Amino acid sequence: ETGVTQSPTHLIKTRGQQVTLRCSSQSGHNTVSWYQQALGQGPQFIFQYYREEENGRGNFPPRFSGLQFPNYSSELNVNALELDDSALYLCASSYGTGNYGYTFGSGTRLTVV
Amino acid sequence: AQSVTQLDSQVPVFEEAPVELRCNYSSSVSVYLFWYVQYPNQGLQLLLKYLSGSTLVESINGFEAEFNKSQTSFHLRKPSVHISDTAEYFCAGRGTSYGKLTFGQGTILTVHP
Repeated sequence: ETGVTQSPTHLIKTRGQQVTLRCSSQSGHNTVSWYQQALGQGPQFIFQYYREEENGRGNFPPRFSGLQFPNYSSELNVNALELDDSALYLCASSYGTGNYGYTFGSGTRLTVV
Repeated sequence: AQSVTQLDSQVPVFEEAPVELRCNYSSSVSVYLFWYVQYPNQGLQLLLKYLSGSTLVESINGFEAEFNKSQTSFHLRKPSVHISDTAEYFCAGRGTSYGKLTFGQGTILTVHP
């Protein structure tokens, strides 16, 4: 069992820039979700991909987009970064709809200055 | 709207004392319930989950939670805590078919010697 790995672990970007965060799902998992965790808050659902298609989205603007690849790895892209985008971004993988639980990565800490 | 409410933002307790972390959920997220633990600068680790069947679920490290449908609660308990249990704990629910998790705000458990 390889677990979920995310890269990079930390990142500093300037307001207005674009960023790509990466996630490698746990072996055997075909669903990946992304969450944003602001300081002192619980994680907020951004979106979910199942078999390379987005099948659920939270209350985030279109400048948050994603991809899932045939090997089930995933990317989160954020355009036109704002200061409020500073947060811990968590990737979670599961098999199917996650009835048996979700495995989270350690996250990418994004700071926008 | 789906919601999960953790009633205490911080819970201080002495080592070897019992602890209860409270969680209430709205009926729309009552399908599956989870407790996650987050240590400083780390991602989320699944502690335990309720999917169906017995309303009392246990983790391997002594925590347990009871699903109470009439009170819409899923409180987390441990009869005797250790210093190593110091962490932030998140209650989460899943009520939609595509697997979105709704998290509470988190409870910081601090165990004092």
